[in-house]
Amino acid sequence: TQLLEQSPQFLSIQEGENLTVYCNSSSVFSSLQWYRQEPGEGPVLLVTVVTGGEVKKLKRLTFQFGDARKDSSLHITAAQPGDTGLYLCAGEGTGFQKLVFGTGTRLLVSP
Amino acid sequence: GAVVSQHPSWVICKSGTSVKIECRSLDFQATTMFWYRQFPKQSLMLMATSNEGSKATYEQGVEKDKFLINHASLTLSTLTVTSAHPEDSSFYICSARASRRSPYEQYFGPGTRLTVT
Repeated sequence: TQLLEQSPQFLSIQEGENLTVYCNSSSVFSSLQWYRQEPGEGPVLLVTVVTGGEVKKLKRLTFQFGDARKDSSLHITAAQPGDTGLYLCAGEGTGFQKLVFGTGTRLLVSP
Repeated sequence: GAVVSQHPSWVICKSGTSVKIECRSLDFQATTMFWYRQFPKQSLMLMATSNEGSKATYEQGVEKDKFLINHASLTLSTLTVTSAHPEDSSFYICSARASRRSPYEQYFGPGTRLTVT
């Protein structure tokens, strides 16, 4: 069974701080996606990373896929209250069509 | 692009009744649709995968006779919760995948909150 563990589970920070969320597994994934979900809504896709070592930037968000394609990180620079939400990583396993979702990281950014 | 809608957005029903939730891909054809369940402050739990025109594949522990899934067209999948009980109360989310290519991306609906009284 493929599992994705996210850390930390919960993070409460002040506006302007930087933070990193980690997504780790012992399994190799063909691709990995990051989503953000707000209360009462469905997850919204932020990025997909495919190649080991790949780095993608989305404004203040930087995503990295591990060299071995077993882990990923999300770094947010100068966090804003609008970044508040549940961040989910999800991996596509080799030969599978379904996504394996991480345990989630709940971020709260206070003004 | 890649918009997925769900209807209804919330529903309250009495114990023992059945509830149908619709999931539609609005601007693309979805070869595969997925149904998830999410408990408060938790991650998404995959319930089943449905491919258009074929029977759904259910995850271990999910009762297929209780959660009926129909993927009748490339833009519509439905989830029917039969003989609902209070423990079925949850947030149900569908997602749709546009093609079988890899890497693929899933686009999620806004979710349906079901409350069984």
